[in-house]
Amino acid sequence: AQSVTQPDIHITVSEGASLELRCNYSYGATPYLFWYVQSPGQGLQLLLKYFSGDTLVQGIKGFEAEFKRSQSSFNLRKPSVHWSDAAEYFCAVAPSKAAGNKLTFGGGTRVLVKP
Amino acid sequence: DSGVTQTPKHLITATGQRVTLRCSPRSGDLSVYWYQQSLDQGLQFLIQYYNGEERAKGNILERFSAQQFPDLHSELNLSSLELGDSALYFCASSLMTGRLPDTQYFGPGTRLTVL
Repeated sequence: AQSVTQPDIHITVSEGASLELRCNYSYGATPYLFWYVQSPGQGLQLLLKYFSGDTLVQGIKGFEAEFKRSQSSFNLRKPSVHWSDAAEYFCAVAPSKAAGNKLTFGGGTRVLVKP
Repeated sequence: DSGVTQTPKHLITATGQRVTLRCSPRSGDLSVYWYQQSLDQGLQFLIQYYNGEERAKGNILERFSAQQFPDLHSELNLSSLELGDSALYFCASSLMTGRLPDTQYFGPGTRLTVL
């Protein structure tokens, strides 16, 4: 069965500093990978996704993520954090070969931005 | 705004009761998914429907059921409610072209509180 691990439960970063959120997955084949963001009281918004091809993926709000097969990782990065980036971030994986399309989510990383 | 709507936004009820959560997918999307977000279990896939038929099942309790109607809206029915059912319930929708991968767009969620 597939699984996703986000090792960091909380991260505090200063406004303007860089941010990297870690995501490791376990899956027998190359999965489809996603990052979602959940702002307080909001639903989940898709930041970016990786299906195949270029391992560096650009998303919305200045985020990017890099797929590293050898490390089973899909880390999310942003060069310069804004106060509005304070939210909870979820990495998710979908099976590449299966009926249905269910997402398996990591436990999430809550990001706090210091002024 | 993802285009997925969920009603109600908040629901407070008592143990043993039954509630119905409603979801309208994005225009054109044929597939609907239900997820539960709780503090102890995180974000978990419950069930998926595609064009009115059940497509995949996750960790959905027998007390819970869902259906998708001809107009493609979906309802999640939760019965014999327990305190532990208190959670945020998300609906997501996707096009499901039949060619994986597929991207899911999430609604704002329904917060259920069982007292």
